[in-house]
Amino acid sequence: AQKITQTQPGMFVQEKEAVTLDCTYDTSDPSYGLFWYKQPSSGEMIFLIYQGSYDQQNATEGRYSLNFQKARKSANLVISASQLGDSAMYFCAMREKKAAGNKLTFGGGTRVLVKP
Amino acid sequence: KAGVTQTPRYLIKTRGQQVTLSCSPISGHRSVSWYQQTPGQGLQFLFEYFSETQRNKGNFPGRFSGRQFSNSRSEMNVSTLELGDSALYLCASSRGEGAYNSPLHFGNGTRLTVT
Repeated sequence: AQKITQTQPGMFVQEKEAVTLDCTYDTSDPSYGLFWYKQPSSGEMIFLIYQGSYDQQNATEGRYSLNFQKARKSANLVISASQLGDSAMYFCAMREKKAAGNKLTFGGGTRVLVKP
Repeated sequence: KAGVTQTPRYLIKTRGQQVTLSCSPISGHRSVSWYQQTPGQGLQFLFEYFSETQRNKGNFPGRFSGRQFSNSRSEMNVSTLELGDSALYLCASSRGEGAYNSPLHFGNGTRLTVT
Protein backbone atom coordinates (compact mmCIF):
# COMPACT_ATOMS: atom_id res chain seq x y z
CA ALA A 1 0.00 0.00 0.00
CA GLN A 2 1.14 3.52 -0.78
CA LYS A 3 2.48 5.10 2.37
CA ILE A 4 2.69 8.67 1.11
CA THR A 5 0.20 10.03 -1.40
CA GLN A 6 0.45 13.35 -3.17
CA THR A 7 -2.61 13.67 -5.37
CA GLN A 8 -1.63 16.82 -7.27
CA PRO A 9 0.87 16.05 -10.02
CA GLY A 10 1.16 19.69 -11.00
CA MET A 11 -0.07 23.12 -10.04
CA PHE A 12 0.06 26.66 -11.32
CA VAL A 13 0.10 29.50 -8.82
CA GLN A 14 0.17 33.23 -9.33
CA GLU A 15 3.15 35.08 -7.91
CA LYS A 16 2.46 36.51 -4.41
CA GLU A 17 -0.45 34.14 -3.83
CA ALA A 18 -0.52 31.22 -1.41
CA VAL A 19 -0.58 27.59 -2.51
CA THR A 20 -1.43 24.40 -0.62
CA LEU A 21 0.18 21.10 -1.54
CA ASP A 22 -1.63 18.00 -0.35
CA CYS A 23 -0.04 15.02 1.37
CA THR A 24 -1.71 12.06 3.02
CA TYR A 25 0.14 9.24 4.71
CA ASP A 26 -0.46 5.82 6.12
CA THR A 27 1.31 4.27 9.10
CA SER A 28 0.56 2.16 12.13
CA ASP A 29 3.57 3.50 14.00
CA PRO A 30 2.52 6.11 16.59
CA SER A 31 5.97 7.71 16.35
CA TYR A 32 6.85 9.23 13.02
CA GLY A 33 8.14 12.35 11.37
CA LEU A 34 6.83 14.09 8.28
CA PHE A 35 9.09 16.14 6.03
CA TRP A 36 8.70 18.34 3.01
CA TYR A 37 11.48 18.76 0.48
CA LYS A 38 11.86 21.05 -2.51
CA GLN A 39 13.66 19.87 -5.61
CA PRO A 40 14.52 22.55 -8.18
CA SER A 41 15.57 21.59 -11.68
CA SER A 42 19.18 21.40 -10.47
CA GLY A 43 18.30 18.16 -8.69
CA GLU A 44 19.22 18.95 -5.10
CA MET A 45 16.65 18.00 -2.46
CA ILE A 46 16.22 20.93 -0.09
CA PHE A 47 14.72 20.30 3.33
CA LEU A 48 11.87 22.73 4.04
CA ILE A 49 9.91 21.78 7.14
CA TYR A 50 9.33 19.00 9.66
CA GLN A 51 6.31 17.88 11.69
CA GLY A 52 6.49 15.24 14.39
CA SER A 53 3.61 12.92 15.20
CA TYR A 54 3.47 14.18 18.79
CA ASP A 55 3.74 17.85 17.96
CA GLN A 56 0.72 19.75 19.20
CA GLN A 57 1.25 22.77 16.99
CA ASN A 58 1.57 23.06 13.26
CA ALA A 59 5.15 23.63 12.12
CA THR A 60 6.16 26.90 10.48
CA GLU A 61 9.38 27.95 8.78
CA GLY A 62 9.31 31.39 7.23
CA ARG A 63 6.88 31.28 4.29
CA TYR A 64 6.30 27.56 4.78
CA SER A 65 3.73 26.15 7.15
CA LEU A 66 2.35 22.69 7.62
CA ASN A 67 -1.35 21.99 8.13
CA PHE A 68 -1.11 18.81 10.21
CA GLN A 69 -4.36 16.89 10.72
CA LYS A 70 -3.32 13.75 12.54
CA ALA A 71 -6.71 12.05 12.65
CA ARG A 72 -7.06 12.44 8.90
CA LYS A 73 -3.42 11.49 8.36
CA SER A 74 -2.71 14.55 6.29
CA ALA A 75 0.21 16.98 6.33
CA ASN A 76 -0.40 19.66 3.75
CA LEU A 77 2.29 22.22 2.95
CA VAL A 78 1.27 25.84 2.60
CA ILE A 79 3.57 28.24 0.80
CA SER A 80 2.58 31.85 1.36
CA ALA A 81 3.41 34.78 -0.91
CA SER A 82 4.72 32.60 -3.74
CA GLN A 83 7.88 33.70 -5.50
CA LEU A 84 9.19 32.77 -8.93
CA GLY A 85 11.98 30.84 -7.21
CA ASP A 86 9.39 28.56 -5.64
CA SER A 87 8.89 26.84 -8.99
CA ALA A 88 10.09 23.29 -8.33
CA MET A 89 9.03 19.76 -7.43
CA TYR A 90 7.85 19.32 -3.86
CA PHE A 91 8.01 16.01 -2.05
CA CYS A 92 6.32 14.88 1.12
CA ALA A 93 8.23 12.19 3.03
CA MET A 94 7.89 10.15 6.21
CA ARG A 95 10.19 8.44 8.64
CA GLU A 96 8.76 5.87 11.05
CA LYS A 97 10.42 5.16 14.36
CA LYS A 98 9.94 1.41 13.94
CA ALA A 99 11.66 1.44 10.56
CA ALA A 100 15.32 0.60 10.68
CA GLY A 101 17.75 3.43 10.32
CA ASN A 102 17.10 6.66 8.55
CA LYS A 103 14.98 5.46 5.65
CA LEU A 104 12.66 8.09 4.17
CA THR A 105 9.56 7.10 2.23
CA PHE A 106 8.62 9.68 -0.39
CA GLY A 107 5.42 10.58 -2.16
CA GLY A 108 5.26 11.01 -5.91
CA GLY A 109 5.75 14.75 -5.74
CA THR A 110 3.89 17.85 -6.91
CA ARG A 111 5.33 20.15 -9.55
CA VAL A 112 4.65 23.80 -8.81
CA LEU A 113 5.00 26.51 -11.43
CA VAL A 114 4.76 30.10 -10.25
CA LYS A 115 3.45 32.52 -12.87
CA PRO A 116 4.54 36.17 -12.87
CA LYS B 1 29.61 24.39 6.81
CA ALA B 2 29.87 22.47 3.55
CA GLY B 3 26.86 20.49 2.45
CA VAL B 4 26.68 16.97 1.09
CA THR B 5 29.00 16.64 -1.90
CA GLN B 6 28.40 14.15 -4.66
CA THR B 7 30.76 13.43 -7.50
CA PRO B 8 30.59 13.30 -10.39
CA ARG B 9 27.52 15.37 -11.31
CA TYR B 10 27.03 13.62 -14.61
CA LEU B 11 28.02 10.23 -15.97
CA ILE B 12 27.44 8.51 -19.27
CA LYS B 13 28.10 4.78 -19.43
CA THR B 14 27.26 1.96 -21.77
CA ARG B 15 25.37 -1.21 -20.95
CA GLY B 16 27.45 -3.82 -19.19
CA GLN B 17 29.90 -1.37 -17.68
CA GLN B 18 30.18 -0.63 -14.02
CA VAL B 19 30.14 2.73 -12.26
CA THR B 20 31.17 4.14 -8.89
CA LEU B 21 29.52 7.19 -7.36
CA SER B 22 30.97 9.10 -4.43
CA CYS B 23 29.37 10.99 -1.56
CA SER B 24 30.96 13.13 1.16
CA PRO B 25 28.54 13.84 4.01
CA ILE B 26 28.26 16.99 6.05
CA SER B 27 31.07 17.19 8.56
CA GLY B 28 30.09 15.33 11.73
CA HIS B 29 27.38 13.28 10.03
CA ARG B 30 27.92 9.57 10.36
CA SER B 31 24.91 8.23 8.48
CA VAL B 32 24.79 8.15 4.69
CA SER B 33 21.82 6.99 2.65
CA TRP B 34 21.43 6.53 -1.09
CA TYR B 35 18.30 7.00 -3.18
CA GLN B 36 17.50 6.41 -6.82
CA GLN B 37 15.13 8.80 -8.57
CA THR B 38 13.49 7.94 -11.89
CA PRO B 39 10.45 9.41 -13.63
CA GLY B 40 8.66 6.08 -13.49
CA GLN B 41 9.45 4.85 -9.99
CA GLY B 42 10.03 8.12 -8.18
CA LEU B 43 12.39 8.21 -5.22
CA GLN B 44 13.43 4.80 -3.99
CA PHE B 45 15.67 3.93 -1.07
CA LEU B 46 18.80 1.99 -1.98
CA PHE B 47 20.73 1.53 1.25
CA GLU B 48 22.04 3.24 4.34
CA TYR B 49 25.38 3.13 6.11
CA PHE B 50 26.31 4.12 9.62
CA SER B 51 29.79 3.76 11.06
CA GLU B 52 30.93 1.74 8.05
CA THR B 53 28.10 -0.79 8.47
CA GLN B 54 25.16 -1.25 6.15
CA ARG B 55 22.09 -0.84 8.33
CA ASN B 56 19.29 -1.03 5.85
CA LYS B 57 18.84 -2.05 2.24
CA GLY B 58 16.09 -1.37 -0.24
CA ASN B 59 14.65 -3.72 -2.81
CA PHE B 60 17.36 -3.54 -5.44
CA PRO B 61 19.34 -6.32 -7.13
CA GLY B 62 22.78 -7.28 -5.93
CA ARG B 63 24.34 -5.29 -8.78
CA PHE B 64 23.86 -2.30 -6.51
CA SER B 65 26.32 -2.17 -3.67
CA GLY B 66 27.90 0.37 -1.42
CA ARG B 67 30.35 0.98 1.31
CA GLN B 68 31.31 3.60 3.84
CA PHE B 69 34.78 4.58 4.91
CA SER B 70 36.07 5.50 8.35
CA ASN B 71 35.75 9.21 7.51
CA SER B 72 32.02 8.62 6.74
CA ARG B 73 32.48 9.15 3.01
CA SER B 74 30.48 6.66 1.01
CA GLU B 75 30.58 5.11 -2.42
CA MET B 76 27.98 3.17 -4.31
CA ASN B 77 28.73 0.84 -7.16
CA VAL B 78 26.51 -0.45 -9.90
CA SER B 79 27.86 -3.36 -11.92
CA THR B 80 26.68 -4.69 -15.27
CA LEU B 81 24.76 -1.53 -16.04
CA GLU B 82 21.33 -1.76 -17.65
CA LEU B 83 19.38 0.91 -19.50
CA GLY B 84 16.93 1.02 -16.58
CA ASP B 85 19.70 2.15 -14.24
CA SER B 86 19.60 5.59 -15.85
CA ALA B 87 18.54 7.83 -13.01
CA LEU B 88 19.44 10.60 -10.61
CA TYR B 89 21.26 9.08 -7.64
CA LEU B 90 20.95 11.12 -4.48
CA CYS B 91 23.03 10.81 -1.37
CA ALA B 92 21.81 12.05 2.00
CA SER B 93 23.48 12.38 5.36
CA SER B 94 22.35 12.80 8.93
CA ARG B 95 24.09 13.07 12.24
CA GLY B 96 23.02 9.92 13.98
CA GLU B 97 20.92 6.85 13.72
CA GLY B 98 17.28 6.20 14.47
CA ALA B 99 16.30 9.80 15.16
CA TYR B 100 13.06 9.81 13.21
CA ASN B 101 12.63 13.51 13.81
CA SER B 102 15.92 14.42 12.21
CA PRO B 103 15.88 15.52 8.56
CA LEU B 104 18.16 14.06 5.96
CA HIS B 105 20.36 16.51 4.07
CA PHE B 106 20.80 15.73 0.41
CA GLY B 107 23.48 16.42 -2.14
CA ASN B 108 22.98 17.65 -5.70
CA GLY B 109 22.91 14.13 -7.03
CA THR B 110 24.73 12.26 -9.77
CA ARG B 111 22.83 11.93 -13.02
CA LEU B 112 23.70 8.61 -14.64
CA THR B 113 22.81 7.90 -18.24
CA VAL B 114 23.24 4.38 -19.56
CA THR B 115 23.31 4.01 -23.35
